[in-house]
Amino acid sequence: AQRVTQPEKLLSVFKGAPVELKCNYSYSGSPELFWYVQYSRQRLQLLLRHISRESIKGFTADLNKGETSFHLKKPFAQEEDSAMYYCALRSAGAGSYQLTFGKGTKLSVIP
Amino acid sequence: EAGVVQSPRYKIIEKKQPVAFWCNPISGHNTLYWYLQNLGQGPELLIRYENEEAVDDSQLPKDRFSAERLKGVDSTLKIQPAELGDSAVYLCASSLVAFRGGELFFGEGSRLTVL
Repeated sequence: AQRVTQPEKLLSVFKGAPVELKCNYSYSGSPELFWYVQYSRQRLQLLLRHISRESIKGFTADLNKGETSFHLKKPFAQEEDSAMYYCALRSAGAGSYQLTFGKGTKLSVIP
Repeated sequence: EAGVVQSPRYKIIEKKQPVAFWCNPISGHNTLYWYLQNLGQGPELLIRYENEEAVDDSQLPKDRFSAERLKGVDSTLKIQPAELGDSAVYLCASSLVAFRGGELFFGEGSRLTVL
């Protein structure tokens, strides 16, 4: 079974400080990892995916298969980064496309 | 484009009453998902459709929940009868493809309160 763990329910940082939102996963196959974000009063939306190896709004995330992690990082937090962040895993096997979410981490950036 | 549209946004009912949620996905998206989100939790998949076919409904409590996607476009999720523990947000999402790289687009959700 696949599982996504986000150990922090709430993370508070000061504006300009570095941010790291932790995500660990459990899956025996080749995973596909995502970060979704939900800003206040907005719908859940994709932030980034590991296969794109992109930086979105200054955020990056690297898949570490050895540590089974996909931590989300940003060098300098901004107030507008305050939101709920969900890590998600999709199994990449044929016929199996279940997307499993973690419980989420609420990021609060203090001005 | 409006994105994924859900209705109603909010619904308050008494236990044992029926309730239905409606979802209109993004035009052209073949894959439709219903997720359940309890307070303080991440979304959990209830059912996934590929066109009209329910291809993954293993997490749907079939004794009281039902869903349909007629003509492979709009979808309805029904609960009958509702229980107190069904209070949650019901999210609908759609994607162009279900497999590698396919991004899910979510609706605003339908918040159900069962009294």
